[in-house]
Amino acid sequence: QKEVEQNSGPLSVPEGAIASLNCTYSDRGSQSFFWYRQYSGKSPELIMSIYSNGDKEDGRFTAQLNKASQYVSLLIRDSQPSDSATYLCAPCDSWGKLQFGAGTQVVVTP
Amino acid sequence: DGGITQSPKYLFRKEGQNVTLSCEQNLNHDAMYWYRQDPGQGLRLIYYSQIVNDFQKGDIAEGYSVSREKKESFPLTVTSAQKNPTAFYLCASSPDRGLNTEAFFGQGTRLTVV
Repeated sequence: QKEVEQNSGPLSVPEGAIASLNCTYSDRGSQSFFWYRQYSGKSPELIMSIYSNGDKEDGRFTAQLNKASQYVSLLIRDSQPSDSATYLCAPCDSWGKLQFGAGTQVVVTP
Repeated sequence: DGGITQSPKYLFRKEGQNVTLSCEQNLNHDAMYWYRQDPGQGLRLIYYSQIVNDFQKGDIAEGYSVSREKKESFPLTVTSAQKNPTAFYLCASSPDRGLNTEAFFGQGTRLTVV
């Protein structure tokens, strides 16, 4: 059974601070990795993709990938109240299909 | 506007009824998916289709059926055999037959059994 593990949270982050979200996956054949943001009652929206080991930055978001450790993370810098949401980690498995974690709830406090 | 359209947004089903959820995309994507999300839980894959006239069961296909007669459309029927159908249903699509690529989601259908 392929597994994607995330801390469920809630992760409470002061406004302006850095939110750090972690994800581990079991399928060593995973090649592509995605982060989705889901507001309460809404559908997930893609915010980051990463394919190679290392860091990838896009605005206030940085994704980090370490395939040897089967670990992918998302950093949110200068956290804003609008960042309060659930963040879903989604690696593609060995067959190239998306697998979703249960998500980490982030709460940004003023 | 390119995107994925799910309808209806809210749906109420009586015990023993079959209901069909609509999903249409105009992104010219090959792959389409149906997920179910229960409160506080992650997405679970019901069915997926990588090409027209072909589809595969996901992790929780029992009590559901699909068809893929057109590239743009992937309707999901929740049958009376599905004993606990109340959930948030999400349709998604991907390019490149959905291999190692991201999925884009519709706005979802919230199904409630009354």
